[in-house]
This record gives sequence, C-alpha cells and structure tokens, in this order.
Amino acid sequence: KNQVEQSPQSLIILEGKNCTLQCNYTVSPFSNLRWYKQDTGRGPVSLTIMTFSENTKSNGRYTATLDADTKQSSLHITASQLSDSASYICVVSASYDYKLSFGAGTTVTVRA
Amino acid sequence: EAQVTQNPRYLITVTGKKLTVTCSQNMNHEYMSWYRQDPGLGLRQIYYSMNVEVTDKGDVPEGYKVSRKEKRNFPLILESPSPNQTSLYFCASSLWIPSGGSTDTQYFGPGTRLTVL
Repeated sequence: KNQVEQSPQSLIILEGKNCTLQCNYTVSPFSNLRWYKQDTGRGPVSLTIMTFSENTKSNGRYTATLDADTKQSSLHITASQLSDSASYICVVSASYDYKLSFGAGTTVTVRA
Repeated sequence: EAQVTQNPRYLITVTGKKLTVTCSQNMNHEYMSWYRQDPGLGLRQIYYSMNVEVTDKGDVPEGYKVSRKEKRNFPLILESPSPNQTSLYFCASSLWIPSGGSTDTQYFGPGTRLTVL
C-alpha cells in the first residue's frame, strides 16, 4: 500500500528562524510530489509540485527538495513569519494510478 | 474570482437525518473530489468525479453518495448520518485528474465542519 509519512508531527519555532519538514514515501512508481499549506479552518493551498526530474522547487520563502532515489522530500521555511503558522501536507502521486496519497501533515507554530 | 465554494460551513445534525453538503466551482474544471479530514489521519478521499455523470469511489465511500449532473456542482449526500461521520469535509477541483502523470493543481474549498449527534 502506498504510504506517506511526515515528520515531525508538530513543531514550534521562533519568528525569524528557519525550519525543515520531512516527508518520506513508499509510493511507486513515483510521478510527482506536492506540498500544501493549510491554515487553521481553511482548505489546503498548493505551495510546490515536483516531478521525478526535479530536485528542488521554491515558492518565496518555501523551498522543497526531492530525492527520488531515497523517496524523501523536505520543505524548508526560511525566516519564518507568524503567518507561516499552519499545517503542511505532503501529497504523492503514482504513475498509472488515479489515487493520491496524503501525509497526515506537520503543524508548525511560529511564536513572536 | 476563481474559487470552490461549500455550503454549509458548519452543520450540527442528529443520527439518521439526511443531509446534503453542496460544492460548486467556477473554473470549468473537469475533476472534482470530496475528502474528509480527521485528526492524525490526514485527508482521505470519499468520492471523485472525472466529468459530468462520471463518479467513482475513493478510499472511504461507505455512508456517502454523490452526483455530478452539472460540471460546476458536486454535492455530497449523507442519507443516514452516523456519529462516525463527524468530520471536516473538503471539496476540491482541478482542470483534470491531479494524479497519475498530471501536475494539475487541486483547488480546495473552505471546508464544512459536520457534527453528528
């Protein structure tokens, strides 16, 4: 069964600091990986999408990396702001499969 | 403004009382989907639709029904709600199916928080 594991489950960081979230997956054959940001009480919003041939993608202060060989991805948040407080969800897609595999998310809290 | 809308946003009901959660998108998207989100479990797909009159089960379809009579609308129906269907529900749409080799982005609605007593 295709699985997506995210770590840590939650973290607290001080405003201005950097942090890195992890996503490990067993989805195969791999097609692409997305990171979503979900603010409390809102629907998820797409941050980045990476295909097999891409190993890094940025969206402002968010940088996602992908190692398709080890089946790992990370999302790095630079110079965190209070508005970065949210849940971050990793979603992996397999080729030849209509299903998406969702991670449980990492909740980030940024403190002033 | 391009968006996915859901109604109602909050709903408290009792076991067995039929309810419908509406979902509408204004982006002329072919693909629409319903998810439920529970603490620690992440998003789980209930049903999806690849076009008008074409629907299929996701991972957790039991107790739910859907219909796709128009491209823009994809209502979720709970014929006889039970307490284990208490959850946060999201509707999403994309131009085409967002899996397989597609890199289409899914746009999510604001969510419907359902409580079944």
